[in-house]
Amino acid sequence: DAGVIQSPRHEVTEMGQEVTLRCKPISGHNSLFWYRQTMMRGLELLIYFNNNVPIDDSGMPEDRFSAKMPNASFSTLKIQPSEPRDSAVYFCASTGGSVYNSPLHFGNGTRLTVT
Amino acid sequence: AQSVAQPEDQVNVAEGNPLTVKCTYSVSGNPYLFWYVQYPNRGLQFLLKYITGDNLVKGSYGFEAEFNKSQTSFHLKKPSALVSDSALYFCAVRDISNDYKLSFGAGTTVTVRA
Repeated sequence: DAGVIQSPRHEVTEMGQEVTLRCKPISGHNSLFWYRQTMMRGLELLIYFNNNVPIDDSGMPEDRFSAKMPNASFSTLKIQPSEPRDSAVYFCASTGGSVYNSPLHFGNGTRLTVT
Repeated sequence: AQSVAQPEDQVNVAEGNPLTVKCTYSVSGNPYLFWYVQYPNRGLQFLLKYITGDNLVKGSYGFEAEFNKSQTSFHLKKPSALVSDSALYFCAVRDISNDYKLSFGAGTTVTVRA
């Protein structure tokens, strides 16, 4: 089991550029979450997919953020245009079985720096 | 709304001493409670969970946690801390009447000195 795989590990970009973060969940997991971690706000849930369908995107901060899950093994989080305040660590997490009592499996995150 | 409080930003203990990381929660229904640990430049790793049953839950790496409904607490404990336990610890709660959303505490940094 390779775990949740995120790429890239680090991304440095200039304000206004498009950024795409990628996630491969654990095989067989049917729920996928995108979180953002900052010192100021801690862990924030951005969006939740179940069976590749977005269930709740109320945490997506602005229209500049979008997420897709075209199939069970791949998801992307896109920021266009990026701004310095988007700088954070972005985590993808997946879980199988019941989403209520099953633990989340996190990737190692993408550290995004927008200058 | 559900919420979690971790009253201590930092906990410092000597190796071999007991370690306690505190967590209190607030939910409208019955809670599902979780502890996660985060090492530098890594994602969160699951340690243990309380769903139902025994109030004392045992988890990975020798950690355990005690669910106390009257005090709405779920403190994480380890009888004898190791230097390698130094990390950031998160408590999380899910209100079973509020489906999938997991609320995380702000985290507690544990430092175990040799």
